[in-house]
Amino acid sequence: EAQVTQNPRYLITVTGKKLTVTCSQNMNHEYMSWYRQDPGLGLRQIYYSMNVEVTDKGDVPEGYKVSRKEKRNFPLILESPSPNQTSLYFCASSLSGGTPPTDTQYFGPGTRLTVL
Amino acid sequence: AQTVTQSQPEMSVQEAETVTLSCTYDTSESDYYLFWYKQPPSRQMILVIRQEAYKQQNATENRFSVNFQKAAKSFSLKISDSQLGDAAMYFCASMGLAGGGADGLTFGKGTHLIIQP
Repeated sequence: EAQVTQNPRYLITVTGKKLTVTCSQNMNHEYMSWYRQDPGLGLRQIYYSMNVEVTDKGDVPEGYKVSRKEKRNFPLILESPSPNQTSLYFCASSLSGGTPPTDTQYFGPGTRLTVL
Repeated sequence: AQTVTQSQPEMSVQEAETVTLSCTYDTSESDYYLFWYKQPPSRQMILVIRQEAYKQQNATENRFSVNFQKAAKSFSLKISDSQLGDAAMYFCASMGLAGGGADGLTFGKGTHLIIQP
């Protein structure tokens, strides 16, 4: 089954404790991205990757890191989480960045992160 | 840069009736796409419909259709014959194609749709 998976789905942690949220897709997609969703703000892009070893900042990159060593994986790293990073995080992927119809983004199930 | 505005935080409709969700956007790009995503209580983001800005014909997907007014920068979603399963948060989103679409999706704040039986 074609899908985007994220782990963990739920995480409660404390300020300053490094964590990684994994994202994996099995569709051989080139483009992957991370969004965060906050009440009243919709979804905002954190980082994106056009292909392996190519990553760039989105609208709200502060406090986050990413890597793209393999095509299928795009982990989101919080080196020193803070309470303002409590949010719902979505990973998404598409076959390409902007060529129809291959640029439709498929979303993972979301990761609910709470930083105390 | 792009902005997307959804002016209706919440809408309510009777089952089997028709409802229209509003969305306006602003972009400096000449080439872009527009989307409606549905987020049910499960939190999954589900693509409902997409519209390429260069196409004049409004997109339709079964009971879902859009009214795309390019000059007015308006992109409303019409749901016909509303069903209980349509209850969800609906997000309007845009994607500019400058830079190959790398900037991803810009979302509105969402409209919570309630279906009354």
